[in-house]
Amino acid sequence: AQTVTQSQPEMSVQEAETVTLSCTYDTSESDYYLFWYKQPPSRQMILVIRQEAYKQQNATENRFSVNFQKAAKSFSLKISDSQLGDAAMYFCAYRSGNYGQNFVFGPGTRLSVLP
Amino acid sequence: DSGVTQTPKHLITATGQRVTLRCSPRSGDLSVYWYQQSLDQGLQFLIQYYNGEERAKGNILERFSAQQFPDLHSELNLSSLELGDSALYFCASSVAGLPLDEQYFGPGTRLTVT
Repeated sequence: AQTVTQSQPEMSVQEAETVTLSCTYDTSESDYYLFWYKQPPSRQMILVIRQEAYKQQNATENRFSVNFQKAAKSFSLKISDSQLGDAAMYFCAYRSGNYGQNFVFGPGTRLSVLP
Repeated sequence: DSGVTQTPKHLITATGQRVTLRCSPRSGDLSVYWYQQSLDQGLQFLIQYYNGEERAKGNILERFSAQQFPDLHSELNLSSLELGDSALYFCASSVAGLPLDEQYFGPGTRLTVT
């Protein structure tokens, strides 16, 4: 079974600075997808960024980018120019490329943004 | 607002009871997902439906069941409730239910079992 690990339960960053959230996963599959979701205090889950495992190029969405290291099974999220609105719980997630397969979330990292 | 609606917002019930949670997907989305978020088990995928058919199954207990109706809304039925079933239950929808599809989450139903 696949597992997702986020080793940083809590992180903090100064406004306008850059922060990197770590995620590692374990799988024997070659076809899969990785995601970062954000859950602000409102509890609404919001997709931040996604990456196909077969793509070597790291995904980027505005201030958010990932460092995908397939061999190391690592998928870290970098947030540049941090804003107060970035304060939230961040979940790393894995999904198999095969239909009928599970969607596995990490335990989350709580990010605080300091003014 | 994601366009996904869930009712009720809050539900308080007693152990042993049965409840039904309802989800209406975004207009045009054919796939619905259910998730459970609890303090001790984190965020867990329960089940996915696509156009009325079950597509993927996660850590869904036998006491739980779900279905997607012809109008594409979905219901999650929880029976013989236990204290440990207290959690936030999310529904999400996506266009085609493909692994890379963006899922749009509803606001959740907070279930408290006393």
